[in-house]
Amino acid sequence: SAVISQKPSRDICQRGTSLTIQCQVDSQVTMMFWYRQQPGQSLTLIATANQGSEATYESGFVIDKFPISRPNLTFSTLTVSNMSPEDSSIYLCSAYSGLAGANEQFFGPGTRLTVL
Amino acid sequence: AQSVTQLGSHVSVSEGALVLLRCNYSSSVPPYLFWYVQYPNQGLQLLLKYTSAATLVKGINGFEAEFKKSETSFHLTKPSAHMSDAAEYFCAVSDMGDMRFGAGTRLTVKP
Repeated sequence: SAVISQKPSRDICQRGTSLTIQCQVDSQVTMMFWYRQQPGQSLTLIATANQGSEATYESGFVIDKFPISRPNLTFSTLTVSNMSPEDSSIYLCSAYSGLAGANEQFFGPGTRLTVL
Repeated sequence: AQSVTQLGSHVSVSEGALVLLRCNYSSSVPPYLFWYVQYPNQGLQLLLKYTSAATLVKGINGFEAEFKKSETSFHLTKPSAHMSDAAEYFCAVSDMGDMRFGAGTRLTVKP
């Protein structure tokens, strides 16, 4: 199994600023993803973080607002840019391991973001 | 694209009663299906998952789910509800890690 850590665990930010969230997996994984959970809502996939190339964004999410990096197999960052109160959410990193026939999905503890 | 639909945003049962949370899926390939639970201000916890090994899947906390291809369903059940089962439940479908969640069902357990 894999353990995912996220930094920061929570933050309170001013509108117009940006926050970068880090996601570290303790073992190599095949795929990494970023999700958003708005208050009282389900989880929505933001994008697939691709190693060494541009992330693949879901409809409604754009690179300028949510730039993502994945420099290697175990680390990814999500930046929430030019924040507004509507960006207040929990942001979750997820990893998938398809190695050796496994089909395991893991989630980080989330980053709780409040934008004032 | 794969998707799941959870029927009923809120379900209320009495303590000791049967819990039934409904989930239907849409997938062009054999799906991997999951149920997660989320307690207030906590992260996701995996209850159970279906990966085609057996149609009846047993999970933690006495929950189980049955995969029915003919009905494209994966409903979650528990024979006897406990007060501690009160939480938000999410059904999800995954394709190589690309996981899509249902809208969620909030379970309330009445004493």
